[in-house]
Amino acid sequence: KNEVEQSPQNLTAQEGEFITINCSYSVGISALHWLQQHPGGGIVSLFMLSSGKKKHGRLIATINIQEKHSSLHITASHPRDSAVYICAVGGSQGNLIFGKGTKLSVKP
Amino acid sequence: KAGVTQTPRYLIKTRGQQVTLSCSPISGHRSVSWYQQTPGQGLQFLFEYFSETQRNKGNFPGRFSGRQFSNSRSEMNVSTLELGDSALYLCASSLGDSRYNEQFFGPGTRLTVL
Repeated sequence: KNEVEQSPQNLTAQEGEFITINCSYSVGISALHWLQQHPGGGIVSLFMLSSGKKKHGRLIATINIQEKHSSLHITASHPRDSAVYICAVGGSQGNLIFGKGTKLSVKP
Repeated sequence: KAGVTQTPRYLIKTRGQQVTLSCSPISGHRSVSWYQQTPGQGLQFLFEYFSETQRNKGNFPGRFSGRQFSNSRSEMNVSTLELGDSALYLCASSLGDSRYNEQFFGPGTRLTVL
């Protein structure tokens, strides 16, 4: 079993839909990161959080430390949101452990 | 502020050769981490350097090595290349420990081993 599990693996949505991507982890963590990777490889850090909730524009990230679970929500999705979303947690050995990613495709 | 830069962007090598990749972090960032990304394994941590010292190392063979210079620029080296080393190699810089600080990623170096 992977230490960081994401669901779903693939997600197709219509423009305007509300999207949720989930991340569950089995290790103790210091912080959880949400990353976005566009075709071509570039990765952008969206959020880093260790408790509660953060919001940036149409993106919202939440984390429940007791349940070892985080969600990334996208409101009013747009085709430009199409990307791979990756969850990563800070491991005890001092490194980031990554989920396999969720490939999101938003159709116009 | 200039972002993280990586050189070269693309590289083709043959089995048995060695390769050196370079990463220049954002000015003021002292931590540089390296990652390998493949379709099968996803993103995997290689190593992290902070103030010229390797702070952590991932589960990769000794053929993978790295170093960091006094200006925080970092290089990673892969010796005796194997076909399975074909991947996108990403570096990321941060102000401090990569676990607790926002990471800024470079565009990556795509290595193909023939």
